Amino acid sequence: QVQLVESGGGAVQPGTSLRLSCVASGFTLSSYGMHWFRQGPGKGLEWVADVWADGTHKYYGDSVKGRFTVSRDPSRNTLYLQMNSLRLDDTAVYFCARDDASYYFNYWGQGTLVTVSS
Amino acid sequence: QSAVAQPASVSGSPGQSIAISCAGTSSDVGGYNHVSWFQQHPGKAPKLIIYDVSNRPSGVSDRFSGSKSGNTASLTISGLQAEDEADYYCASCTSTNTLVFGGGTKLTVL
Repeated sequence: QVQLVESGGGAVQPGTSLRLSCVASGFTLSSYGMHWFRQGPGKGLEWVADVWADGTHKYYGDSVKGRFTVSRDPSRNTLYLQMNSLRLDDTAVYFCARDDASYYFNYWGQGTLVTVSS
Repeated sequence: QSAVAQPASVSGSPGQSIAISCAGTSSDVGGYNHVSWFQQHPGKAPKLIIYDVSNRPSGVSDRFSGSKSGNTASLTISGLQAEDEADYYCASCTSTNTLVFGGGTKLTVL
């Protein structure tokens, strides 16, 4: 069955980098658009970034543009989020989700926690 | 991205109906039919309950319904049940190929 498993979260200092992974099983990741979302402690959901199914387009939220990069490795069926220049307000649980058809997010991972603290 | 406004909280008694609004602009909610609603219980991943304004994914109760008028979308939950107590978020695509969420609404079942 379809499963998404995020990993790579942890506690880091401001200004450092971290790479999150989202391993897909039960489907071919590169056949779907994939998105990253996050949710800060006690806060609402925030869209972070996406990559289209054909890989031709990637879009980012204003708060992460220029610092985060989304990518895929078809050979590992894995989605990545490279996060650079991390800030305190990047502290959140990060989720990946599959886009089945124009913002139809029926499959989500369980999330991975990133804590940015000095 | 623009902010989409939702009420911070709503409440209702079991069996009643409630509605949650999602007020955006013509650059997001009003301009596209890609408005979704998510239910989120504490410590859990969001669950899609409405997509494309008014469509329900397979397995979602027909007590959940969605609609849109102008720049405002709405989620209606009828026949409230205790398990409906959760946070609800609307989301809309935007004119800049991004996605914007509402701030979330906490539903309390009295």
